[in-house]
Amino acid sequence: DSGVTQTPKHLITATGQRVTLRCSPRSGDLSVYWYQQSLDQGLQFLIQYYNGEERAKGNILERFSAQQFPDLHSELNLSSLELGDSALYFCASSEGGANEKLFFGSGTQLSVL
Amino acid sequence: AQKVTQAQTEISVVEKEDVTLDCVYETRDTTYYLFWYKQPPSGELVFLIRRNSFDEQNEISGRYSWNFQKSTSSFNFTITASQVVDSAVYFCALSEDYGGSQGNLIFGKGTKLSVKP
Repeated sequence: DSGVTQTPKHLITATGQRVTLRCSPRSGDLSVYWYQQSLDQGLQFLIQYYNGEERAKGNILERFSAQQFPDLHSELNLSSLELGDSALYFCASSEGGANEKLFFGSGTQLSVL
Repeated sequence: AQKVTQAQTEISVVEKEDVTLDCVYETRDTTYYLFWYKQPPSGELVFLIRRNSFDEQNEISGRYSWNFQKSTSSFNFTITASQVVDSAVYFCALSEDYGGSQGNLIFGKGTKLSVKP
């Protein structure tokens, strides 16, 4: 058990809808990362937050947004969903930056129908 | 641009065989970090090792060993006497040190290892 909690584990929704994925980092970790894993793109970095502030941005679509709250949990919001957004979304945490060991959650499997 | 290449998409071995997973990386920075992660069928990514660019010593941890060669930009992973439980997708990853503004991990496409009994 990595100590990173992601909910829900599975999410099935329709095109055009909006969903929120939630992540609770490991106790004491200030950084939260979101990654998307799909068959064609592999593991892609989306965004990083450090202690409530956005620290780095990757291949995140404008339809997607994230935030990290004062209690350090994070949410990833995906809107106007398309079929191609179907993927496994991982949250990871670390004490500081990505040069450290990342602890990954078990992921949220999103299926857009 | 940063890039990680894992040329082997899938490898199948029989239990007790040794297997090497290749990883080649590209970066323009002199300070960077290399990682290996394991993704078993359960789906969760598990950290295996981190190596910084200034430490070229090979590392051994039980049946696992890693060979880092800056001259060839490679960070290969060897499993000795493979076991069925080693069946997983293995990812090599790279991050660069932005000196305070931490980078993110660039992952290779992964190598799926199947160990048959």
